[in-house]
Amino acid sequence: KQEVTQIPAALSVPEGENLVLNCSFTDSAIYNLQWFRQDPGKGLTSLLLIQSSQREQTSGRLNASLDKSSGRSTLYIAASQPGDSATYLCAVTRTASKLTFGTGTRLQVTL
Amino acid sequence: GAVVSQHPSWVICKSGTSVKIECRSLDFQATTMFWYRQFPKQSLMLMATSNEGSKATYEQGVEKDKFLINHASLTLSTLTVTSAHPEDSSFYICSAMDSGTGGSYGYTFGSGTRLTVV
Repeated sequence: KQEVTQIPAALSVPEGENLVLNCSFTDSAIYNLQWFRQDPGKGLTSLLLIQSSQREQTSGRLNASLDKSSGRSTLYIAASQPGDSATYLCAVTRTASKLTFGTGTRLQVTL
Repeated sequence: GAVVSQHPSWVICKSGTSVKIECRSLDFQATTMFWYRQFPKQSLMLMATSNEGSKATYEQGVEKDKFLINHASLTLSTLTVTSAHPEDSSFYICSAMDSGTGGSYGYTFGSGTRLTVV
């Protein structure tokens, strides 16, 4: 059974700092990995999708890497802003089917 | 981009009544949709996988007679919480996979429904 863990569970940083969120999964036979953002009481917004054959994806200030063999992914956020405050979730899928979600990292960026 | 519309965004109902939540893919066809439940400060837990034109597949521990799922078209899936009780109060989120891409481009999520049973 796939298990996805995210570290840290919560993080508070001052505005402008670069930060790294970690995601690890137990079964390396994944189809793809996706990072999401969730604001309180809202649905999920997709940030980045990494196919199993890829090693990283970038979008603006966000960069996600994938190391399948070690079962790890990182989400790098550059020059953090208060608007980045949210819960960040990583999720993996074995085939083109259901997602298995991580435990999430609650991020707060302070002024 | 792919958009999933979920309604209602919130609902309050009396104990014992039923509530229907709709999930629509607006600009793509979704052979498969997923229904999740989320408790406060917890991650999403998959409840069931909804397949167009066939019965849904429920995860272990989810009562299929309580959470009725219908996926009658390629753009619409519904979740009906029957005989709702206060413990059913939660945040329900649907997601859909674009049938044309087979999930290669990931999954799109609805905005969620906050259900409160009083």
